[in-house]
Amino acid sequence: DIQMTQSPSSLSASVGDRVTITCRASQDIRNDLGWYQQKPGQAPKRLIYAAISLQSGVPSRFSGSGSGTDFTLTISGLQPEDFATYYCLQHFSNPFTFGQGTKLEIK
Amino acid sequence: QVQLQESGPGLVKPSETLSLTCSVSGGSINNYFCTWLRQSAGKGLEWIGRMYVSGNTIYNPSLKSRVTMSIDTSKNQFALRLTSVTAADTAVYYCATNPLLHLGDLSAWGQGTLVTVSS
Repeated sequence: DIQMTQSPSSLSASVGDRVTITCRASQDIRNDLGWYQQKPGQAPKRLIYAAISLQSGVPSRFSGSGSGTDFTLTISGLQPEDFATYYCLQHFSNPFTFGQGTKLEIK
Repeated sequence: QVQLQESGPGLVKPSETLSLTCSVSGGSINNYFCTWLRQSAGKGLEWIGRMYVSGNTIYNPSLKSRVTMSIDTSKNQFALRLTSVTAADTAVYYCATNPLLHLGDLSAWGQGTLVTVSS
């Protein structure tokens, strides 16, 4: 299985801050990676697909970068509604695997 | 915009079979990859498997011996069966889809349904 190592596992930040979350794959996954946001009691919601493409309807303060093994989700100018848990998902090979999540909390 | 809704028993006894259905609205299931996932406190988000109406199916090897996915195009639904369940299968189960020929995966999700395995 491809292991997705996500960091940090938790992060405290303030409204207006710029934050970065990273995922490292245990092998090359090309750009077969998505980023998801999950709020308590809700299903995950896709933010980014193909590593860098913004899902329709998602604010442009969210951006993704990377390919191969190293990937980054950046949120520029945190808004109150952005405090949630974020996951990466690789769909390069079976089984598709998630990172362990990053909980973004208000400082 | 496609919408998904999971349904099925919320309580299953150990050693029995868990059966869930995902109803798809706003689009034909013929045009989507259909996926099941689950989320538990102990194991985080876990991908169970994905199928397409043609029968092309891939399962997580860790669950493959117990999982069956199926599609009913007449009802625009897809289903999950998980046999010989234990407490470790207690989780929120999600269905998700992604349009064929679209980049990425899991663009739409159901709200999730909690399944508890207990006698």
